Amino acid sequence: DVKVTQSSRYLVKRTGEKVFLECVQDMDHENMFWYRQDPGLGLRLIYFSYDVKMKEKGDIPEGYSVSREKKERFSLILESASTNQTSMYLCASSLRGLTPGNTIYFGEGSWLTVV
Amino acid sequence: DAKTTQPNSMESNEEEPVHLPCNHSTISGTDYIHWYRQLPSQGPEYVIHGLTSNVNNRMASLAIAEDRKSSTLILHRATLRDAAVYYCILHGGATNKLIFGTGTLLAVQP
Repeated sequence: DVKVTQSSRYLVKRTGEKVFLECVQDMDHENMFWYRQDPGLGLRLIYFSYDVKMKEKGDIPEGYSVSREKKERFSLILESASTNQTSMYLCASSLRGLTPGNTIYFGEGSWLTVV
Repeated sequence: DAKTTQPNSMESNEEEPVHLPCNHSTISGTDYIHWYRQLPSQGPEYVIHGLTSNVNNRMASLAIAEDRKSSTLILHRATLRDAAVYYCILHGGATNKLIFGTGTLLAVQP
């Protein structure tokens, strides 16, 4: 069974703290993604990575960074958490390449509250 | 980047068919059309995808317009468990970047 695992389901952090959200996939996928989901705004892409040590900004990268040191792991970093980063964060992965419509697999989500 | 447009919400009765529309007028030739759904407090899950031809699987059918500027997800007999937010997504084959629509909240009445 394919699996994308997000290390923390629920977190509460203080303003200014450094926050790490970890994601691991067991499908040997090249692509990995981080989204955030807010009411009324749907899913918005923060960053994605198409290979180890490679990354590209998504639509809302400000205030975030990412790390992909190993193929199976993609970390989202909030250098200095702020209250407007309170949200649900979703990690996803997929195969790379022009194969017919690669399916994208999502994790269960991490609910982050910044107080 | 190509975008999708979906109605914010729809309602259906249990055991009736549901047609969920999606407009993607700026779709490119290499974009696949994916549908995902998201149950409360869960991550999205795959439903179906296609490129040009209509597609069927055990969950749903996907009807794609001839000009590919719109598509419709068809649930043949809605159940209460189908109540979810349905996302129409363009998966860019050239870039592998996901572009989400706003999603349609489907309510199913018993």
